[in-house]
Amino acid sequence: GQQLNQSPQSMFIQEGEDVSMNCTSSSIFNTWLWYKQDPGEGPVLLIALYKAGELTSNGRLTAQFGITRKDSFLNISASIPSDVGIYFCAGLYGGNEKLTFGTGTRLTIIP
Amino acid sequence: SAVISQKPSRDICQRGTSLTIQCQVDSQVTMMFWYRQQPGQSLTLIATANQGSEATYESGFVIDKFPISRPNLTFSTLTVSNMSPEDSSIYLCSVGGHRGVRTEAFFGQGTRLTVV
Repeated sequence: GQQLNQSPQSMFIQEGEDVSMNCTSSSIFNTWLWYKQDPGEGPVLLIALYKAGELTSNGRLTAQFGITRKDSFLNISASIPSDVGIYFCAGLYGGNEKLTFGTGTRLTIIP
Repeated sequence: SAVISQKPSRDICQRGTSLTIQCQVDSQVTMMFWYRQQPGQSLTLIATANQGSEATYESGFVIDKFPISRPNLTFSTLTVSNMSPEDSSIYLCSVGGHRGVRTEAFFGQGTRLTVV
């Protein structure tokens, strides 16, 4: 099935650094969702975006819905060890709630 | 958000056998979905579980291989039939939710299947 292009594929950072990742698509979406997945767990919803240009924060996380409706980015400020995991973007078009997922960004914190 | 429970959480199965995965939600939901996550990969939608009718499968997935039941608005099962090692994946149940015009989707913890 279709997947969104997500970059970077992996990141190795030091604790306290800021992180930025993004998703791009050839199709427009009405909703962008960002998830975090820990090992052995299902994805957990972090932030939901519903309007082009929307900028939404959840603690140290900030995400934006691109103006073209074909992209979105997620920033994490002042990273901490519990931020380690895989981050997925997902797009929705219409009201059928069928998600198209990004390829994922694996975040690792170097001690 | 809905609380979604999946059983089993993991299993190791012999090739050629079948495994049924259960998904229970703590509230009635209209939309339930099943996803597959192959090792090191992203999530791919298998099918939409429709209450009272046959599931709607995505391209590349068929009912004979992945039969799905949805007897009511809080429960669904996915069966992985005639398993082979290529079926080793995490299988995830998801439910959709609306808050007005806002749509969200939530996941169970997943079932990690290993086929030997």
